[in-house]
Amino acid sequence: AQSVSQHNHHVILSEAASLELGCNYSYGGTVNLFWYVQYPGQHLQLLLKYFSGDPLVKGIKGFEAEFIKSKFSFNLRKPSVQWSDTAEYFCAVNPPNDYKLSFGAGTTVTVRA
Amino acid sequence: NAGVTQTPKFRVLKTGQSMTLLCAQDMNHEYMYWYRQDPGMGLRLIHYSVGEGTTAKGEVPDGYNVSRLKKQNFLLGLESAAPSQTSVYFCASSILAGASTFYNEQFFGPGTRLTVL
Repeated sequence: AQSVSQHNHHVILSEAASLELGCNYSYGGTVNLFWYVQYPGQHLQLLLKYFSGDPLVKGIKGFEAEFIKSKFSFNLRKPSVQWSDTAEYFCAVNPPNDYKLSFGAGTTVTVRA
Repeated sequence: NAGVTQTPKFRVLKTGQSMTLLCAQDMNHEYMYWYRQDPGMGLRLIHYSVGEGTTAKGEVPDGYNVSRLKKQNFLLGLESAAPSQTSVYFCASSILAGASTFYNEQFFGPGTRLTVL
């Protein structure tokens, strides 16, 4: 079945550590890719998106993601996390010619001060 | 510009009761979606709409109905609530951006936390 996989269910880090969250998808063809963040008790907010062009995408709050087409991956990175980055992170894929987004199961990131 | 709003924010139902969740957007978006969020399962699409008067089933439509009578509103109904429908429900909307490629950036509402006893 077509799907979006996030490799880590829960990541615990200390402040200033680097973060990398994995996302792989199984759709063929041209896809649109997104990372959303959900802070505790809040709704989903867009962190960054990839539609075309430079495969290294920069988003808000110092996050970036790299699209590697050959690996069907769109991994999220941040060089130095802060306590305020504690949240749940969702990778989402818009398959070709489809109105819908498919979401990964999410990764909970806990940053300890 | 309020974006996407949802009513109510919280609700507790007894098994068998009915209710309607309202989603409204003021961005003139064509497409609207209802998702449910459950721990460890991400967001799953319940129903969606590609325009006023049209609706379609998503990944988990059973037990839910929807209506899109006005472009700005998308209603999600539970006719006979079950404990399995305890969840957080999110509405989203999006617009076609670009002449030939569908850029589906979705904007989300704050969610409705529903508990069915």
